[in-house]
Amino acid sequence: QQQVKQSPQSLIVQKGGISIINCAYENTAFDYFPWYQQFPGKGPALLIAIRPDVSEKKEGRFTISFNKSAKQFSLHIMDSQPGDSATYFCAASKAAGNKLTFGGGTRVLVKP
Amino acid sequence: DTGVSQDPRHKITKRGQNVTFRCDPISEHNRLYWYRQTLGQGPEFLTYFQNEAQLEKSRLLSDRFSAERPKGSFSTLEIQRTEQGDSAMYLCASSLDLKETQYFGPGTRLLVL
Repeated sequence: QQQVKQSPQSLIVQKGGISIINCAYENTAFDYFPWYQQFPGKGPALLIAIRPDVSEKKEGRFTISFNKSAKQFSLHIMDSQPGDSATYFCAASKAAGNKLTFGGGTRVLVKP
Repeated sequence: DTGVSQDPRHKITKRGQNVTFRCDPISEHNRLYWYRQTLGQGPEFLTYFQNEAQLEKSRLLSDRFSAERPKGSFSTLEIQRTEQGDSAMYLCASSLDLKETQYFGPGTRLLVL
């Protein structure tokens, strides 16, 4: 059972453009939603995270939008740079310190 | 470097052999997690420890898999009688109790021939 569905699988964006990645979850007990960035040969690194009591969180060029009623959340990467080329994973967990359930990942390529 | 470390980084083994991986968490992190990631997929949870206690195991973790964290510091993941389907990246993460952020290590890439 895939509890977190992520789309698209891959994305190509021009330098300076906006990358948008969407995730949908099924388990209403989830209350923590992080996004991880992974470069080839490396482990995932936390990018930004949100809890369902807010609808949007922004950190630098990265913004999470959260829609609790639709059980959906998305990552927006503004002013995309070639260094942002990586695989991005959304995830969810039921509470702090619990296991993470990951989406399938989105490979983002930013063309110069 | 005070991040999560894993050893070895790469392991090639023949089907049927046993392998053991080690994870050293960030100092003072009392929670330690193991995940498995196959090519093109997101990490899947295997098991986690709070201090030395193993609190949860995934149904993905067959009887051939065993994990330990004997003194609440480093952890080992052993796979007995490896199968080709065990080929994957094995990721370790750690966190402070009741803190959300899990910090991942670089992973151990296993190839079973």
